Amino acid sequence: DVKVTQSSRYLVKRTGEKVFLECVQDMDHENMFWYRQDPGLGLRLIYFSYDVKMKEKGDIPEGYSVSREKKERFSLILESASTNQTSMYLCASSPPRDRARGMNTEAFFGQGTRLTVV
Amino acid sequence: KQEVTQIPAALSVPEGENLVLNCSFTDSAIYNLQWFRQDPGKGLTSLLLIQSSQREQTSGRLNASLDKSSGRSTLYIAASQPGDSATYLCAVRSSGSRLTFGEGTQLTVNP
Repeated sequence: DVKVTQSSRYLVKRTGEKVFLECVQDMDHENMFWYRQDPGLGLRLIYFSYDVKMKEKGDIPEGYSVSREKKERFSLILESASTNQTSMYLCASSPPRDRARGMNTEAFFGQGTRLTVV
Repeated sequence: KQEVTQIPAALSVPEGENLVLNCSFTDSAIYNLQWFRQDPGKGLTSLLLIQSSQREQTSGRLNASLDKSSGRSTLYIAASQPGDSATYLCAVRSSGSRLTFGEGTQLTVNP
């Protein structure tokens, strides 16, 4: 089974702190993603990475950065945490599009990190 | 820009009922569509993946259909059980590897 593991289920941080959220996948997937989920807004893409050291901004990258030094690990960094970054953060991974069959393949998610910034 | 809508936002049914959840998307140029389940406070569990060339996928009591031209998908749950209570999300992949999500349908199955 594909496993995507997020380092923490719950985190409480203070405003202005630098926060690291870690995500590890064990299926050698090229693509990794960070989403945040908020009531009434659904899941919104923050950043994604399609290979080591490669990254692209999603829909709401402001206030965040990411790091992908190894294929299995994708880190989300809140440079200076603010209360409006209180949210559920979800990491996902997927293989790249199957070019041979012209198919995209399945995405898998971690268990989520509930971050509260006080 | 792709937009995904799920109707209804919430649904409450008695145990044993068959039910249908709806998902619509604005851009029919999709690669695939994926249905997920989310329990409160948890991550997403993948239920079914339908490629753009497929019309439906089945897994146990779940059946998902896709009508790409009309921008619609349905998730059919047969003989619902209290353990099916969760939020169901659909997501489409319409370019690269990005997924665009609907806001979900919160399902409650009453014993």
